[in-house]
Amino acid sequence: DVKVTQSSRYLVKRTGEKVFLECVQDMDHENMFWYRQDPGLGLRLIYFSYDVKMKEKGDIPEGYSVSREKKERFSLILESASTNQTSMYLCASSFTGNLVETQYFGPGTRLLVL
Amino acid sequence: QKEVEQNSGPLSVPEGAIASLNCTYSDRGSQSFFWYRQYSGKSPELIMFIYSNGDKEDGRFTAQLNKASQYVSLLIRDSQPSDSATYLCAVQTSYDKVIFGPGTSLSVIP
Repeated sequence: DVKVTQSSRYLVKRTGEKVFLECVQDMDHENMFWYRQDPGLGLRLIYFSYDVKMKEKGDIPEGYSVSREKKERFSLILESASTNQTSMYLCASSFTGNLVETQYFGPGTRLLVL
Repeated sequence: QKEVEQNSGPLSVPEGAIASLNCTYSDRGSQSFFWYRQYSGKSPELIMFIYSNGDKEDGRFTAQLNKASQYVSLLIRDSQPSDSATYLCAVQTSYDKVIFGPGTSLSVIP
């Protein structure tokens, strides 16, 4: 079974703090994704990566950056957290080159910025 | 036009009934289609995928795909209260990006 883990289930931070969210997958997937999910807005893609040290902006990258130094690990960084970044953050991974690219999700991190 | 659309719901069905969830998409060249279930406060989990026109059955779940109409649906037979969740439709587009719909909230009433 594919396993995607995220470093924290719940996180409370103050405005202006630097926040690191980590995601690790154990299935040797090339692709990794960061989404945020808010009521009424669905899943929105922040950043994704198709390979080590590679990153691509998603639909809402402003205020975020990412790092992928190893294939199994994809980090999301909030350089200076703001209250509008309070959300559920979901990491996902998938195997490339398939007709069917199934994404597998981690348990999510619920971030509250005060 | 949004790339993937779903009825937002909430959709309420009595226990034992058939729940029908619908999804339309805009990219005619889309290749594969996914249904995820998401319980409140949890992350999405894959129920099934389909890439050929027609029906695909897995237990109580049936996915239906009509590429000509750009339409994919999920039928849940003998609905149970444990099926109450938000169902996300996802589409793997012709440019290899997976786009998620906004989700449909389903409530199965005992």
